[in-house]
Amino acid sequence: KNEVEQSPQNLTAQEGEFITINCSYSVGISALHWLQQHPGGGIVSLFMLSSGKKKHGRLIATINIQEKHSSLHITASHPRDSAVYICAVSNRGSNYKLTFGKGTLLTVNP
Amino acid sequence: GAVVSQHPSRVICKSGTSVKIECRSLDFQATTMFWYRQFPKQSLMLMATSNEGSKATYEQGVEKDKFLINHASLTLSTLTVTSAHPEDSSFYICSAEGGTGDSYNEQFFGPGTRLTVL
Repeated sequence: KNEVEQSPQNLTAQEGEFITINCSYSVGISALHWLQQHPGGGIVSLFMLSSGKKKHGRLIATINIQEKHSSLHITASHPRDSAVYICAVSNRGSNYKLTFGKGTLLTVNP
Repeated sequence: GAVVSQHPSRVICKSGTSVKIECRSLDFQATTMFWYRQFPKQSLMLMATSNEGSKATYEQGVEKDKFLINHASLTLSTLTVTSAHPEDSSFYICSAEGGTGDSYNEQFFGPGTRLTVL
C-alpha cells in the first residue's frame, strides 16, 4: 500500500462543476502539499497545509490531521484547470523529502 | 510566491556526452534543493537531496557518479548527467526549500528540463 493514496485517478468534468480530489496518507507528516502539473511538465505548488483550510481563488484545500485525509476542491471549474493534481507529504524527520501520490488527471470539458 | 528557474528547459544530446542542468532560486535562499526525475505517465521520483556546502544525499538506486550534484551556493544547484545514455532521457525537475514567514519549508519547483539522449 502506498503511503499516499489519491482518488480518483482520473476525473472528467464539465465546465462550471465543483471538483473534489481526495488524498489519504498513512505516515506522520509535517505538512501536506497540493501540486499542479500541466501537460508541458512544469509543476506549481498550490498549497502547503499542516492544519485546517486554505483558499486561493477558486481553489480550496482542507486537511484533517486526525483522519490523515486532505481534499482539494475547485469551484466553478474551467478547461484551463485541466492538469494532473498531485498530493505529497513531507516530514521534518526525513529532511522534508516529499512522498508523492500518483496524481489525479483532471479534464474539464467546455 | 518564490521563483525557481531551471536551465536549459530542453536539451537533446548524443549518447556519451555529459549534460549540466542548473537550478536557481531567484528571490530567496534555498537551504535545501531536491532533484527529481519523472518518466512519462509516472510520478516524480526523488533522486537526491542537496544541501549547500555539503555532499548530496542520493536515494537508493541512483548512481552518484553518474548524476553529479553540486550545491555551491544558497541559490544554485547543478545536476550533471555524465556519459548520458538513451535510458537517461527523462524530465528532470528541481525544487528549492526556503522562503520567508509562513512559507518557510515549502518547496518551490522549477519548470523542469526535458533531456533527450539520442
